[in-house]
Amino acid sequence: GEDVEQSLFLSVREGDSSVINCTYTDSSSTYLYWYKQEPGAGLQLLTYIFSNMDMKQDQRLTVLLNKKDKHLSLRIADTQTGDSAIYFCAESPPTDTGNQFYFGTGTSLTVIP
Amino acid sequence: DAGVIQSPRHEVTEMGQEVTLRCKPISGHDYLFWYRQTMMRGLELLIYFNNNVPIDDSGMPEDRFSAKMPNASFSTLKIQPSEPRDSAVYFCASSQVAGAPPGKTQYFGPGTRLLVL
Repeated sequence: GEDVEQSLFLSVREGDSSVINCTYTDSSSTYLYWYKQEPGAGLQLLTYIFSNMDMKQDQRLTVLLNKKDKHLSLRIADTQTGDSAIYFCAESPPTDTGNQFYFGTGTSLTVIP
Repeated sequence: DAGVIQSPRHEVTEMGQEVTLRCKPISGHDYLFWYRQTMMRGLELLIYFNNNVPIDDSGMPEDRFSAKMPNASFSTLKIQPSEPRDSAVYFCASSQVAGAPPGKTQYFGPGTRLLVL
């Protein structure tokens, strides 16, 4: 399967920006996803981007993609205590059959009040 | 839609007992996935189905694990006999189609927290 890697922990102060990083290995066109997992809950989709895009913005969230380096980042502006969660990067190639997602290890974000 | 429904939410059992986890996917979704999450191994795909047919079960740890999808609205993951190392959170997810989002996006249930003593 594909390798998707993330750093395990990130700690930021409330009101600062958070940047969560992810690298992937798939060399073909692919879709890249960010999911959020709050304590005791399942994974919730935040956003996705196709690998021919450089950036996608959705309110406080900005996704940046460096296709050359296969590096994806999720920036959360004005981070709040409610943003404390585990954030998963996932990669899934476009196919007509098969629908596997390859998840990273998750980055645990702690927001300090 | 109510989203992906899993039951039970919590299960505590003793080693050697049979455990059955249940999942109801989102109506109209053709794909169903079973994942296991542990601190040590992160999120692992166990098996997934397309139109009730198992497509890839290479992540199923061993013969003690089995999964079925008798119809489009119900799937089970069974562990028999259970062992302490099976303790984990088990997630079910579903997606509408393959190909491209938003249809291929996976939607997760709340998970079943299993503790095997």
